[in-house]
Amino acid sequence: KNQVEQSPQSLIILEGKNCTLQCNYTVSPFSNLRWYKQDTGRGPVSLTIMTFSENTKSNGRYTATLDADTKQSSLHITASQLSDSASYICVVSAYDYKLSFGAGTTVTVRA
Amino acid sequence: GAVVSQHPSRVICKSGTSVKIECRSLDFQATTMFWYRQFPKQSLMLMATSNEGSKATYEQGVEKDKFLINHASLTLSTLTVTSAHPEDSSFYICSASQAGGSSYNEQFFGPGTRLTVL
Repeated sequence: KNQVEQSPQSLIILEGKNCTLQCNYTVSPFSNLRWYKQDTGRGPVSLTIMTFSENTKSNGRYTATLDADTKQSSLHITASQLSDSASYICVVSAYDYKLSFGAGTTVTVRA
Repeated sequence: GAVVSQHPSRVICKSGTSVKIECRSLDFQATTMFWYRQFPKQSLMLMATSNEGSKATYEQGVEKDKFLINHASLTLSTLTVTSAHPEDSSFYICSASQAGGSSYNEQFFGPGTRLTVL
């Protein structure tokens, strides 16, 4: 069964600090991995998409990494802002385009 | 670009009534639309996949007679929750894939609809 595991489940950081979220997956055959940001009561918004051959991709203060050999990905948030408070979801796509969703990491940024 | 809207954003209804949720791709044609359900503190769960002009494909455990999906055009899909009950209360999110889109086959998500059944 294709699975996507995220850690930690939640974290609290102070404004201006950095944090890193983890994602491990067993989806096969792998097509691409996406990170989404979901604000409370809103739909997910894409942050990054990476294919097998990409190791890192940035979107502003968000940097995602991918190790396709170990099937691990991380999302690094630099210089966090209050608006970064949200749930971050790791989503892995197989070649049949079915998406496997992680449970998400809830990030709370405090002033 | 690639904006998906949903209407209504929030709906409260009495048990036994039917509720229709619309999903529209505003600036692109979507050959495929997806409907998800999300319970509090849980991730999105795919309910069904719909292609324009054909019947929707439902995931295992999702009742097709209860959750009616219509994808009548390349920009509109509707989800009707029939005879809604309190256990149907959830956050319903649609997404759309762009016709002839990137190799990522990226899905663009709508803002979601909060359904509360009393």
